[in-house]
Amino acid sequence: GAGVSQSPSNKVTEKGKDVELRCDPISGHTALYWYRQRLGQGLEFLIYFQGNSAPDKSGLPSDRFSAERTGESVSTLTIQRTQQEDSAVYLCATGGARYEQYFGPGTRLTVT
Amino acid sequence: AQSVTQLGSHVSVSEGALVLLRCNYSSSVPPYLFWYVQYPNQGLQLLLKYTTGATLVKGINGFEAEFKKSETSFHLTKPSAHMSDAAEYFCAVSVGETSGSRLTFGEGTQLTVNP
Repeated sequence: GAGVSQSPSNKVTEKGKDVELRCDPISGHTALYWYRQRLGQGLEFLIYFQGNSAPDKSGLPSDRFSAERTGESVSTLTIQRTQQEDSAVYLCATGGARYEQYFGPGTRLTVT
Repeated sequence: AQSVTQLGSHVSVSEGALVLLRCNYSSSVPPYLFWYVQYPNQGLQLLLKYTTGATLVKGINGFEAEFKKSETSFHLTKPSAHMSDAAEYFCAVSVGETSGSRLTFGEGTQLTVNP
């Protein structure tokens, strides 16, 4: 596709359940980032993948959060035992040329 | 570590008036600076960026921003607001490849354009 795609667009889950969010990058983009956007706030960095290098996980808020990416393909962000404070929009971005990041439309997660 | 401050969480202008959205940053190394726009229920779209070279950068939709190192600022302007400019605007800073070009964002400014 032409841009970054994310699925699902909306996810409602019960507290304590696990969720998996998916990001399909722009073809050829080696860098992939996950950010979280809480209501009325800016974006918080979560995790960064660059090719086959070890990911930068320094932004993950707890060990309930994990992400995977194989090579330069799809990435999944998993949140285990969801809590209400996990409710947010989760945005994926990919980058090819230096410093530019292209964002997907996001997944709106609501934990009830 | 870098940080971004956007002055004013809400800005309201009349159609045709000047748009000025303020952004100040802190960074221990030369920064790369970005403005993104977010329309309702959409992802972020890059408006413009400063990396090196000319300090006045022009972006899409008639927006421009000037990097002022002495003031640690990167304010976004547009001479004449359109109704379609109503959106949320985010300023962001990156310190480049050594930290994976991760972006640090300000908290955003909601722009309202009144007819």
